[in-house]
Amino acid sequence: DAKTTQPNSMESNEEEPVHLPCNHSTISGTDYIHWYRQLPSQGPEYVIHGLTSNVNNRMASLAIAEDRKSSTLILHRATLRDAAVYYCILRDAEGNKLVFGAGTILRVKS
Amino acid sequence: GAVVSQHPSWVICKSGTSVKIECRSLDFQATTMFWYRQFPKQSLMLMATSNEGSKATYEQGVEKDKFLINHASLTLSTLTVTSAHPEDSSFYICSARDTRVTSYNEQFFGPGTRLTVL
Repeated sequence: DAKTTQPNSMESNEEEPVHLPCNHSTISGTDYIHWYRQLPSQGPEYVIHGLTSNVNNRMASLAIAEDRKSSTLILHRATLRDAAVYYCILRDAEGNKLVFGAGTILRVKS
Repeated sequence: GAVVSQHPSWVICKSGTSVKIECRSLDFQATTMFWYRQFPKQSLMLMATSNEGSKATYEQGVEKDKFLINHASLTLSTLTVTSAHPEDSSFYICSARDTRVTSYNEQFFGPGTRLTVL
């Protein structure tokens, strides 16, 4: 599985947008970009995924660079409940495994 | 989204005993299930992948005789930690996916099981 690189941690103010970056320069043409988040003492929660086009859902938006070597998860208005570890993971459509990296610890200040 | 449950949510056992953790997909058929382990302040580490009705595939460095995985039905997989020792204390998380779906489909995670070995 191709590797992703994320900042160790980020901080945001409540009610403000958050942009979480992810670099994946070795991404292959069939790799989907996934984002999961994990709250303390819980299992990971699916956030969003995409292949080439930008994606929106009720939780977040995913902006994918034209060359697909990077992507950004956008939380439009951060809340205290969004404080979690956010993981950016690549997996191809047929691949089975989701391999987690270190992720980004997002802290949200009130 | 689909729901994956785990039981128990936490367990404390004595060193040398075996512990079984169940993982169930509640509203979909999980042809493939995954077991992860997570130590404090670390990321999830994939232990093994199991397909319904066949033997699990273990990741490098994971002892298959110590971590027994059974995936006998499309909705249930079990992980048995045999002869548990304090170093096996960890947060065990299962995940499931229906790999028969030919279009993209999500992988869903359980809430995790906290194992403490005394």
